Amino acid sequence: SQQGEEDPQALSIQEGENATMNCSYKTSINNLQWYRQNSGRGLVHLILIRSNEREKHSGRLRVTLDTSKKSSSLLITASRAADTASYFCATPPLFGNTPLVFGKGTRLSVIA
Amino acid sequence: KAGVTQTPRYLIKTRGQQVTLSCSPISGHRSVSWYQQTPGQGLQFLFEYFSETQRNKGNFPGRFSGRQFSNSRSEMNVSTLELGDSALYLCASSSKILAGESTDTQYFGPGTRLTVL
Repeated sequence: SQQGEEDPQALSIQEGENATMNCSYKTSINNLQWYRQNSGRGLVHLILIRSNEREKHSGRLRVTLDTSKKSSSLLITASRAADTASYFCATPPLFGNTPLVFGKGTRLSVIA
Repeated sequence: KAGVTQTPRYLIKTRGQQVTLSCSPISGHRSVSWYQQTPGQGLQFLFEYFSETQRNKGNFPGRFSGRQFSNSRSEMNVSTLELGDSALYLCASSSKILAGESTDTQYFGPGTRLTVL
């Protein structure tokens, strides 16, 4: 079953604009991770935010986490055509040995 | 370090056949996981191997199996292929040791695109 649900499913913006994607999850977590997937390729880890962190930056990426609302957002600033990809949030369950659970992703298209 | 490699990259099979996919993890990584990705279901976890032992399994039928070798390379096998098995199969490795190590980062290979006709 999906733990994370990304919103929106698809997003189309102009180059230079900011892109915001949201992720909601169901159960308590230790951390939340964001991955990017270029068309038909493997996923690339972008950033991990721990449950005791509220915001984290990495280059043009800004991730926020609100554990009270069980939600996270990924902001890409000054987007480029190369940012065109699908973005997934992934959450490891708090207990047990199960692996990361991925959402269905947000497809971002950045138009030059 | 070289990344995760998967072979073959593309495969076309017919219903009823079987297929074996291969994955070589990043050097030093002992945990290897397999995922199936389809447009309808998204990324679904198949199984995880660590030190030649399967320590986690997703909700897939027994037609899906895997193994890991002493050098951490892993293979997955799908027998009696069905049309619905058409998907991108992704392998990921990580440096995690403990099964419940929640902060591990998964490093993905480029995937094998399987088409079942």
